Amino acid sequence: QSALTQPRSVSGSPGQSVTISCTGSSSDVGGYNYVSWYQQHPGKAPKLMIYDVSKRPSGVPDRFSGSKSDNTASLTISGLQAEDEADYYCCSYAGNYARVVFGGGTKLTVL
Amino acid sequence: EVQLVESGGSLVQPGGSLRLSCAASGFTFSSYAMSWVRQAPGKGLAWVSAISGSGATTYYADSVKGRFTISRDNSKNTLYLQMNNLRAEDTAVYYCAKDLGSGAWSFFDYWGQGTLVTVSS
Repeated sequence: QSALTQPRSVSGSPGQSVTISCTGSSSDVGGYNYVSWYQQHPGKAPKLMIYDVSKRPSGVPDRFSGSKSDNTASLTISGLQAEDEADYYCCSYAGNYARVVFGGGTKLTVL
Repeated sequence: EVQLVESGGSLVQPGGSLRLSCAASGFTFSSYAMSWVRQAPGKGLAWVSAISGSGATTYYADSVKGRFTISRDNSKNTLYLQMNNLRAEDTAVYYCAKDLGSGAWSFFDYWGQGTLVTVSS
């Protein structure tokens, strides 16, 4: 059950766009369309931002979008705002044995 | 309003046992799979275990298989995690999380506030 690979940090200025990648394998990200993304502010519980690769739960701004190509999923945040500064985790279903794997997390800094 | 409230975390010695609870409200508890996800201090999220709505099917991460047992009491709207033979590397905040209703049980739309388990002598 190896973790998915994310960049440790990304940054952007207010109003800009940033993309966070999440690389797995054909056993997880590449094998299923069950990719989700979570936002976590310090000391808080994670919040679901994207599921089913690209769907947004009610209440999540449309500035957040998800996509997938082969074994890599991506989260794009457009029109960066100060409150977007947080840790972001990708997550994928990995079959009946491994079940669920998370990425190592990416710290987003809004400059 | 959906609420998940964990309890039971504490300081425990290596080799010891602990049972975590997660009290759920605001939704039909028995209709949804539930999971435990943990986060070691300063580290990322790690999935621990999942259970079906009926409680008949369970899954575990390799790191806890044989030591942890997930269960639920649908009459009490409560999820449990029995943790035995605890190790220092089990030290983490443990979150219970509700599945969105996906077939893969891997979309967690509500999370509790977490309960801290510290394994140390």
